[in-house]
Formats: sequence, C-alpha cells, structure tokens
Amino acid sequence: NAGVTQTPKFQVLKTGQSMTLQCAQDMNHNSMYWYRQDPGMGLRLIYYSASEGTTDKGEVPNGYNVSRLNKREFSLRLESAAPSQTSVYFCATQGEDVSGPGSSYNEQFFGPGTRLTVL
Amino acid sequence: DQQVKQNSPSLSVQEGRISILNCDYTNSMFDYFLWYKKYPAEGPTFLISISSIKDKNEDGRFTVFLNKSAKHLSLHIVPSQPGDSAVYFCAATAGGGTSYGKLTFGQGTILTVHP
Repeated sequence: NAGVTQTPKFQVLKTGQSMTLQCAQDMNHNSMYWYRQDPGMGLRLIYYSASEGTTDKGEVPNGYNVSRLNKREFSLRLESAAPSQTSVYFCATQGEDVSGPGSSYNEQFFGPGTRLTVL
Repeated sequence: DQQVKQNSPSLSVQEGRISILNCDYTNSMFDYFLWYKKYPAEGPTFLISISSIKDKNEDGRFTVFLNKSAKHLSLHIVPSQPGDSAVYFCAATAGGGTSYGKLTFGQGTILTVHP
C-alpha cells in the first residue's frame, strides 16, 4: 500500500502560469484535504472534500481550485500562479469517526508534499 | 487570528532527558487535540492525541497533558532520543459535524536532541 501519494515532488513556475497538483490515496478514506505549509505559519487548510463529489473551502482558498475526481483522487489547481503561492503543499486523508464526536478521532494521513516555487 | 499557538520555535535537549513541548489555544470549541511529528522532506505523521474529556494520554515515551481551564496542552517525551529530532506540530479540531476533520495547526516547534 502506497498510502497517500503526491505528484510532482518539486515544481518551479513563472508568475501567471497554471498547474495542477495531484493527490491519490489507496486507504479507502472518504475525506481528503489540501494544506500549505509556510515558515512560521504551520499548516493551513486550503480546501477539503468530505466525500466524493463534495468540496469545501478551508482557511486560505483564494487562488486555488480543487477537483475530487473520484474517491481516490483529489487535485489542487493554481490557475494563475503568484509568488505568494510559493509553499510546500500537503495532501491528507482521514477515515470516518465512527465512534462519534468526543471519542476516538481518526488521524489524518499525509502525503510527502510538493515543493512549489513561483518566480 | 492564530487559534493554536506554539510559542517556542525551537527546543534543544540532551539525549535521555525530558523534552516538553507546549501549545496554547484560544477557541473554546476545540474538543480534540493532536500532535504530529515531521521530518525534513516528509509529510507530518500522527504521534498522539487527546480528547477534551481527558487530561492525560500516554503512549510509550510520549505523554500529552491537557489543561482545559488554561487552554494549554503539552507533549512530554521521556527519555528523549536523537531520532526524536524533528518539527512537532500541535493541532486542534472542534470535532464532528461540519468541523469534522478541519484541523487547525500551530506554527511548529523544532526539537533537537543532542547525543
């Protein structure tokens, strides 16, 4: 089992270019997430998908779009890249909290990340 | 508005000693807290968690303490090992419903354990 995979590992873009970051999981999880990590800021949620066919904004969605192509795949698109989007991007998945709120909470599993530089 | 704060950017300890990493939060709706560990060029990995109905959770060398009245939690690593050197993130969530899975992370603390 590969867990959570992300492609590409590294990418350099020029301002205004577009690209799509790919994420795939083989954990049969319904929920998937995109985060960005910046120095001194921790990880911030960009978008998430609670199940196939649904997506929702996180804390920092501006400049991004997402597609939940199927249960396995969740992609993040930058339509017109800006230097402020230089960051490390992480995809994550999570199983269902079948025990209910306040009890055991299923951890999120992260991919290895994509390091994006926008010049 | 930083709802989860790790005020120490870095911590250095000697091998065999205790490492204590601290985390403060402001949102009283948070009811579940997690610690993640991250090595360079890898994604974060789950370490330990605690529900707001508890004040302590232990897993081997790792113990998390929660003080709800102070909105403070801490991670204790005893004894510390060089392999524990990593960035540690504190995270919190408001639990089920529409907040399910939406983790709010702290800024991270770089732990260095010297042999």
